[in-house]
Amino acid sequence: EAEVAQSPRYKITEKSQAVAFWCDPISGHATLYWYRQILGQGPELLVQFQDESVVDDSQLPKDRFSAERLKGVDSTLKIQPAELGDSAMYLCASSPGLAGGLTGELFFGEGSRLTVL
Amino acid sequence: AQKITQTQPGMFVQEKEAVTLDCTYDTSDQSYGLFWYKQPSSGEMIFLIYQGSYDEQNATEGRYSLNFQKARKSANLVISASQLGDSAMYFCAIISYNTDKLIFGTGTRLQVFP
Repeated sequence: EAEVAQSPRYKITEKSQAVAFWCDPISGHATLYWYRQILGQGPELLVQFQDESVVDDSQLPKDRFSAERLKGVDSTLKIQPAELGDSAMYLCASSPGLAGGLTGELFFGEGSRLTVL
Repeated sequence: AQKITQTQPGMFVQEKEAVTLDCTYDTSDQSYGLFWYKQPSSGEMIFLIYQGSYDEQNATEGRYSLNFQKARKSANLVISASQLGDSAMYFCAIISYNTDKLIFGTGTRLQVFP
């Protein structure tokens, strides 16, 4: 069964260091999402891609966060410099695009849990 | 704009009993979809059930059913015959058919006891 792949599964870093997360969506899925989930809260959308284009990054802290999906396939989310408040689970999800909204075909990876010391 | 409200921070249910988790939503879209996800302590987001706004029948997936009341903007999840393994966080989410933007609620922690 096709899955959304994320790495690393766990990351511990010191504040002011750089950190990067990688996501490989299900093959053929045009829409890719990155979410941040602080412990005890719901996921917050950071950035949404349609193919290689950003369609929503209104909640992305652009002074330290960046995201790219250069070939419209896999994606990288970077934080530089990391701060204590960035400790969270970073979730990636993908869908076929607007069809995902119509059919509910939208799936998540296992997430990357970040701890900033 | 879209918004999901889950008013129950925590729920308890006895094993084998049914439980309803509440979800209300607000959206300016005419066409949208509603999801429920389960998130165990390990952190992965597990898809449970989906309802499209044009679907007239309530969605069902095994022990899960979605009580969709469009006029009331309500999309409650019903879990029948609860099992100990159902203990987890449950999130309701809405997706716009126009933008594909997916927004989550704050979640409900369900605990199933023997």
